[in-house]
Amino acid sequence: DAGVTQSPTHLIKTRGQQVTLRCSPKSGHDTVSWYQQALGQGPQFIFQYYEEEERQRGNFPDRFSGHQFPNYSSELNVNALLLGDSALYLCASSLAGPTKQYFGPGTRLTVT
Amino acid sequence: GIQVEQSPPDLILQEGANSTLRCNFSDSVNNLQWFHQNPWGQLINLFYIPSGTKQNGRLSATTVATERYSLLYISSSQTTDSGVYFCAARGVANAGKSTFGDGTTLTVKP
Repeated sequence: DAGVTQSPTHLIKTRGQQVTLRCSPKSGHDTVSWYQQALGQGPQFIFQYYEEEERQRGNFPDRFSGHQFPNYSSELNVNALLLGDSALYLCASSLAGPTKQYFGPGTRLTVT
Repeated sequence: GIQVEQSPPDLILQEGANSTLRCNFSDSVNNLQWFHQNPWGQLINLFYIPSGTKQNGRLSATTVATERYSLLYISSSQTTDSGVYFCAARGVANAGKSTFGDGTTLTVKP
């Protein structure tokens, strides 16, 4: 049973560019959440997807957008990259409701 | 939204010592998890514990929901226990969003 997978592992982009990160949830899970973790801080909630819709959103600008596909996998898109977007991006999957979250290994994004 | 505070921010122990990590949260929760983040960034599930007490080997956790705190106990610490420990809480009023504390960095010396 595969756990949560994310791709790519590492990514280097230039300021102003756009990036797409991908996440496949744990088998049987239908809910995907995305988090941003800056160096030395705890993860910050970006948004959550359920039934292909954004269900809840944290305090992130509209440059951050996402999508969930019918197979429950998800993408995180960030437009007009800023240096401050450099971080570890974590995906978590769960069943709907207040259930246990399982995290993927993360994508480390560096913006130069 | 819910606020989560962890203490202490840093903890240094000798191998074999016991430790207690604390997580305070500002509102009622229906979901609380403890994680250990390894050096590569992977968040490893330790406990899912919105209330009550659980034990897993040398680790145990207790959440007192009515008093809005959770404790993670590590007994007979080993060097491999080193790393950052996070708690994450979901408020009842904001069920989709997990709020993390800033973590406790544990260093276990041989």
